[in-house]
Amino acid sequence: ETGVTQTPRHLVMGMTNKKSLKCEQHLGHNAMYWYKQSAKKPLELMFVYNFKEQTENNSVPSRFSPECPNSSHLFLHLHTLQPEDSALYLCASSFRQGMQFFGPGTRLTVL
Amino acid sequence: QKEVEQNSGPLSVPEGAIASLNCTYSDRVSQSFFWYRQYSGKSPELIMSIYSNGDKEDGRFTAQLNKASQYVSLLIRDSQPSDSATYLCAVNNTGNQFYFGTGTSLTVIP
Repeated sequence: ETGVTQTPRHLVMGMTNKKSLKCEQHLGHNAMYWYKQSAKKPLELMFVYNFKEQTENNSVPSRFSPECPNSSHLFLHLHTLQPEDSALYLCASSFRQGMQFFGPGTRLTVL
Repeated sequence: QKEVEQNSGPLSVPEGAIASLNCTYSDRVSQSFFWYRQYSGKSPELIMSIYSNGDKEDGRFTAQLNKASQYVSLLIRDSQPSDSATYLCAVNNTGNQFYFGTGTSLTVIP
């Protein structure tokens, strides 16, 4: 256990559904991240939050909507996703730009 | 041009040998460098971090950084079958951007 938890671990949704991914860190870190991992591609950084403020949005489609209510919690709200959005979604946290610790991930399948 | 490049492998070494994993990066202002291990179906696990030129050792692992050549490597001594995994190189610039390579698949043969 790295001190970063994610729920759910697996999610299957239709293209018209709305769902949310949750991440919580118990490490006292101030930065949190969402990554997308697809087969045969590098980890793609999606969003970065520092002290609850979004500092990076790497041209992510608006069907992905992040929310960071405090430094320990991070959400990724999903709506009208496409099948190509199926991937492993990883949350990570760090102290400033230091070492990142990853949660177990949510395996998302969009039908 | 990819930000971080790694040989995808697979790299196979016999048990007890030294495994050498390499990574190059394109952004000269990169400040921090990390190696992660990822077992199949699991999330990445931090192994090493390195911030200055030279070698950094931690148990059986040694990270090497050469900023002039924009090159970072990971050596695994006395390789064990449990080291079989995909190894990810990650690079951070002065901001919030982290770039990962596609990973090198390592197999340690008993």
